[in-house]
Amino acid sequence: DGGITQSPKYLFRKEGQNVTLSCEQNLNHDAMYWYRQDPGQGLRLIYYSQIVNDFQKGDIAEGYSVSREKKESFPLTVTSAQKNPTAFYLCASSVVLGNQPQHFGDGTRLSIL
Amino acid sequence: AQSVTQLGSHVSVSEGALVLLRCNYSSSVPPYLFWYVQYPNQGLQLLLKYTSAATLVKGINGFEAEFKKSETSFHLTKPSAHMSDAAEYFCAVIINTDKLIFGTGTRLQVFP
Repeated sequence: DGGITQSPKYLFRKEGQNVTLSCEQNLNHDAMYWYRQDPGQGLRLIYYSQIVNDFQKGDIAEGYSVSREKKESFPLTVTSAQKNPTAFYLCASSVVLGNQPQHFGDGTRLSIL
Repeated sequence: AQSVTQLGSHVSVSEGALVLLRCNYSSSVPPYLFWYVQYPNQGLQLLLKYTSAATLVKGINGFEAEFKKSETSFHLTKPSAHMSDAAEYFCAVIINTDKLIFGTGTRLQVFP
């Protein structure tokens, strides 16, 4: 079955450390997204990518970085500049950018040690 | 500015009762509207979508939503709640952009 795989499911970060969250999709979708979810705030867009080798900042990109070297992969790095990284991170994809439903992975929960 | 508002962060119903989760949007142009469901520690799953084809949209698990332009609403309903419906529900909208804007969510509790 096609879908989106996020790994790891749980991740712990030490102070000053960068961590990378993996997101892989086998849906052949062009567009991919990263969201951050905090209790009571819904989902907020961090970065999105319309196509390979292209990505755009979302609403809360500070302290995060991404790459899109392959169509199926869109890893997110949480850098030490992100001072409040504890959250649930969700990766999504859609056929193309625009008015299309997005399909979501099962998320990665990041916590600070 | 485009936005979406979900009234009520928590809704509790008895098993077998009507489920009504409210969603209002602000836009001067026709939006694309979605309802998603999230179970604990999982991603979001699409329940249904409105793309202007019909104002009453039927989704999975017996849910449906009605687009009312005059009220700028897209409320989610289910005639009879089941214990398995307990989850968090998100309304989301795309208006003239490529970005999906989410409401803050409504947690549904179902009591036996």
